[in-house]
Amino acid sequence: GNSVTQMEGPVTLSEEAFLTINCTYTATGYPSLFWYVQYPGEGLQLLLKATKADDKGSNKGFEATYRKETTSFHLEKGSVQVSDSAVYFCALRSAGAQKLVFGQGTRLTINP
Amino acid sequence: DSGVTQTPKHLITATGQRVTLRCSPRSGDLSVYWYQQSLDQGLQFLIHYYNGEERAKGNILERFSAQQFPDLHSELNLSSLELGDSALYFCASSVVDGYGYTFGSGTRLTVV
Repeated sequence: GNSVTQMEGPVTLSEEAFLTINCTYTATGYPSLFWYVQYPGEGLQLLLKATKADDKGSNKGFEATYRKETTSFHLEKGSVQVSDSAVYFCALRSAGAQKLVFGQGTRLTINP
Repeated sequence: DSGVTQTPKHLITATGQRVTLRCSPRSGDLSVYWYQQSLDQGLQFLIHYYNGEERAKGNILERFSAQQFPDLHSELNLSSLELGDSALYFCASSVVDGYGYTFGSGTRLTVV
């Protein structure tokens, strides 16, 4: 079946550090890929998405590129801020399906 | 405010009891999805309704049921509650397909 694997957390960085959160997936066909962010006490918010191979999703300084050859969708940010502290979820949606399949989530803490 | 309203925000109940969680989707959205977030299982898809009809079922226990009403709000009913049912229950809505999911802030259920 379809699945998403994220790098295990928690991840702790200093402000202005470079961030990478790895995400790989297993799916048949050509899924759409997503990154969601969950701030403390809140629901999930869509951060960015990509719907086909080589697409780059970007938002709020975060980027992720859909790499079909490596079945990956790694999240990156060049300079993190304390306000980026949250849990990040990678997810996929198979073509024709409605539900999202989520990874386990990666807790990110940014220290000033 | 995401536009998806979930009530109540917190619920504490005893084992063996029955509870109802409510979700009002974003205005104009016809699809409602329910997800369970627990520490050990992560985010799991439970069920999807579209315009009052059940469209897909995921890892939803037989003790759980849901429905979507003509005004498009949805209710998730959990019965014969067990300690392991303690989790965050999220509702999400979208216009038609899965691209534009909007999540509510969740209901935290604690079974004691």
